[in-house]
Amino acid sequence: AQSVTQLGSHVSVSEGALVLLRCNYSSSVPPYLFWYVQYPNQGLQLLLKYTTGATLVKGINGFEAEFKKSETSFHLTKPSAHMSDAAEYFCAVSDRWQFYFGTGTSLTVIP
Amino acid sequence: GAVVSQHPSWVICKSGTSVKIECRSLDFQATTMFWYRQFPKQSLMLMATSNEGSKATYEQGVEKDKFLINHASLTLSTLTVTSAHPEDSSFYICSARGGTNTEAFFGQGTRLTVV
Repeated sequence: AQSVTQLGSHVSVSEGALVLLRCNYSSSVPPYLFWYVQYPNQGLQLLLKYTTGATLVKGINGFEAEFKKSETSFHLTKPSAHMSDAAEYFCAVSDRWQFYFGTGTSLTVIP
Repeated sequence: GAVVSQHPSWVICKSGTSVKIECRSLDFQATTMFWYRQFPKQSLMLMATSNEGSKATYEQGVEKDKFLINHASLTLSTLTVTSAHPEDSSFYICSARGGTNTEAFFGQGTRLTVV
């Protein structure tokens, strides 16, 4: 079975500070892992994904995530937060059939 | 990336009426489409998965007769909320995946309000 745990439903950072959003997963098959961002009243936009190959993946808007199999983690980071990064972030795992989403982390950026 | 268009983006309807939401893949063939429901400040709840030309697979607890899903072509899936009630008010999101794509592409969502 597949599942995703996002630690911290709310994260606040100062503008320019490091962003770290945590995601741990469980999967009975080699996982495909995703981070999505959602702005109010909008659908989900893919930030980045890991399928195979390099474990450090870079996405849009300066975000990156590292797949750590030993820790079953796929944490999302960004070196310097921008006001426009304020949004809801969802981690997801896919078993190639369905997508399983975490409960989401709301990121607030403080000016 | 691929584009999924969901329409309408918002709708208000009277209790007891039916509402249809469309989800279209604009530049790829969507062999699989997913329908989600999202409550405020919560994650996406998968309602059903549909493959083109076959009946949708509903998640446990989702009423098939209330939430009718049709995936008649490789570019279009529809969700019809029948005999809507205020408790059906929610944000509905579709996503689509085509062929060997590893990712799913999401529509913009539909805000349904039943009064």
